[in-house]
Amino acid sequence: DTGVSQDPRHKITKRGQNVTFRCDPISEHNRLYWYRQTLGQGPEFLTYFQNEAQLEKSRLLSDRFSAERPKGSFSTLEIQRTEQGDSAMYLCASSWDAEGNIQYFGAGTRLSVL
Amino acid sequence: AQSVTQPDIHITVSEGASLELRCNYSYGATPYLFWYVQSPGQGLQLLLKYFSGDTLVQGIKGFEAEFKRSQSSFNLRKPSVHWSDAAEYFCAPNNAGNMLTFGGGTRLMVKP
Repeated sequence: DTGVSQDPRHKITKRGQNVTFRCDPISEHNRLYWYRQTLGQGPEFLTYFQNEAQLEKSRLLSDRFSAERPKGSFSTLEIQRTEQGDSAMYLCASSWDAEGNIQYFGAGTRLSVL
Repeated sequence: AQSVTQPDIHITVSEGASLELRCNYSYGATPYLFWYVQSPGQGLQLLLKYFSGDTLVQGIKGFEAEFKRSQSSFNLRKPSVHWSDAAEYFCAPNNAGNMLTFGGGTRLMVKP
């Protein structure tokens, strides 16, 4: 098991561009979570999936953000019309119901919006 | 509202000294409780967890934490700190497997 994988590790983009991040969870995990972490802060919850169903979204997830998990495996997080305030580390985690939903995190994607 | 507080933003200890990082939470019912560690530029690594039962839980890297219901606390401890323990530590409760709510973190520095 290779753990939670996120791609890319770093993304630099210009304001107004769209970006997409990918997360591959641990293979048997049915839940997948996205968090955002700004410098000097703890991570903040964005959204989570159980299998392919998106069950909860934070109010932080504006209409410029969309997340999908089409086949209940990998997930993508897209940010449209990026703003400088979107600059952050985007963390993905996965968990398994039968293990009490202990969340295991990937290394994150660091987004810089210029 | 559910919340978690880590009162100490920065802590500096000498290598070999003991360590205690504080965490207090405010939840309607006792949540599941976790401590994670984050090294610079990295994701979060789980140190230990509490679901129920024995209030003193052991984790990786020699860390332990004690759940105190009366104080709504889940403090992290280590008897002897190593230079490699320098990192940021996050306390995070959650409600039965849903989203984690992270504290602001405590940055640990270790003096040689």
